[in-house]
Amino acid sequence: QKEVEQDPGPLSVPEGAIVSLNCTYSNSAFQYFMWYRQHSRKGPELLMYTYSSGNKEDGRFTAQVDKSSKYISLFIRDSQPSDSATYLCAMSGSSASKIIFGSGTRLSIRP
Amino acid sequence: EPEVTQTPSHQVTQMGQEVILRCVPISNHLYFYWYRQILGQKVEFLVSFYNNEISEKSEIFDDQFSVERPDGSNFTLKIRSTKLEDSAMYFCASSPWTSRTKETQYFGPGTRLLVL
Repeated sequence: QKEVEQDPGPLSVPEGAIVSLNCTYSNSAFQYFMWYRQHSRKGPELLMYTYSSGNKEDGRFTAQVDKSSKYISLFIRDSQPSDSATYLCAMSGSSASKIIFGSGTRLSIRP
Repeated sequence: EPEVTQTPSHQVTQMGQEVILRCVPISNHLYFYWYRQILGQKVEFLVSFYNNEISEKSEIFDDQFSVERPDGSNFTLKIRSTKLEDSAMYFCASSPWTSRTKETQYFGPGTRLLVL
């Protein structure tokens, strides 16, 4: 079983739709859960991070972590064409230790 | 907003040559990292560095790789004798982590390395 699994997509939705992106993981030692956004041939840009279980909201973005199910989600409300990118879930055992990335989901928002 | 910077943005080299990739982490950060991403694949951890020594490294980070913080601002990755399979995007990251904060890693824009 892979340590972090993420559907690679591509996912295409119309502008204004709610987008749901998900990852599952197998290592119960993970405590930090991140979502990064990556545009083609650019570095990962931190969107949100969460420590342990729970929800975190930042503008149109909501991150959820369910440690009992080993499942994390990112919701994007009122999606915009500028949200089109590859979204990487990522996790680590501590904020200083190595990050394990998912394979990324390619998201396209149609105007 | 402070950010991690990397130079060069692109590097082309011949197989067997040495390359040095440079990074300037965010100024008050304590932990430094290198990751790489082969085209079409996942971002993979290479090495972490804290208090002037390697704190963790992956299987990829063999004797051909080394890291150094030569002064108070730069953090470098050296590949001694490049191989074709070293062609990838190399990302530097830094983290301000202390026991009193819970922060994560911030990534630079990357250096695209092409080995011919």
